Amino acid sequence: EVQLVESGGGLVQPGGSLRLSCAASGFTFSSYEMNWVRQAPGKGLEWVSYISSSGSTIYYADSVKGRFTISRDNAKNSLYLQMNSLRAEDTAVYYCAMIAVAPVWFDPWGQGTLVTVSS
Amino acid sequence: EIVLTQSPGTLSLSPGERATLSCRASQSVSSSYLAWYQQKPGQAPRLLIYGASSRATGIPDRFSGSGSGTDFTLTISRLEPEDFAVYYCQQYGSSPRWTFGQGTKVEIK
Repeated sequence: EVQLVESGGGLVQPGGSLRLSCAASGFTFSSYEMNWVRQAPGKGLEWVSYISSSGSTIYYADSVKGRFTISRDNAKNSLYLQMNSLRAEDTAVYYCAMIAVAPVWFDPWGQGTLVTVSS
Repeated sequence: EIVLTQSPGTLSLSPGERATLSCRASQSVSSSYLAWYQQKPGQAPRLLIYGASSRATGIPDRFSGSGSGTDFTLTISRLEPEDFAVYYCQQYGSSPRWTFGQGTKVEIK
């Protein structure tokens, strides 16, 4: 069974940093492209970042470019999101999602981890 | 940037009724690059429809998608109790790579 489990969320002050992780199991992680998607409390979905299966291609939403860094460790079946210079508007549940439905569709998703940016 | 506008914001219907959800794009979207997701409270989204009209694995045939260009529709032929949720359309493009509509909530009348 495919499983994606996010961790690393929590409360952080504005300007602070946080590193999210997504542990993958039940499939050959190194073969799949991955994404981070976030959802502010009571709001809709916002795509954050994409990384190819090898890690050689990366995209970011403009709202996080220059502050967030996506990476992966295929040997550890893990996806990461390093978040720096955090702002109140980054407060959200962060989901990792794999592209298992060709060519570009997110399925399945993890259960999410909550990041709260507040003083 | 392509903006997706979903309507209505909220749809109040009874079980057994037909639900018709709209997703309108600010520019033409290839049908290959339009999808629909369902999200229930406290849960992650789930892929329902991709390529505008293809059902994802395990999705019941009461869910169907249609449309082209700038106008796309998700239809639920007969609402089951488990179908009351929020639905998002999504498109894949150039920059940003993926965008979502703001969502349509289907609630029990």
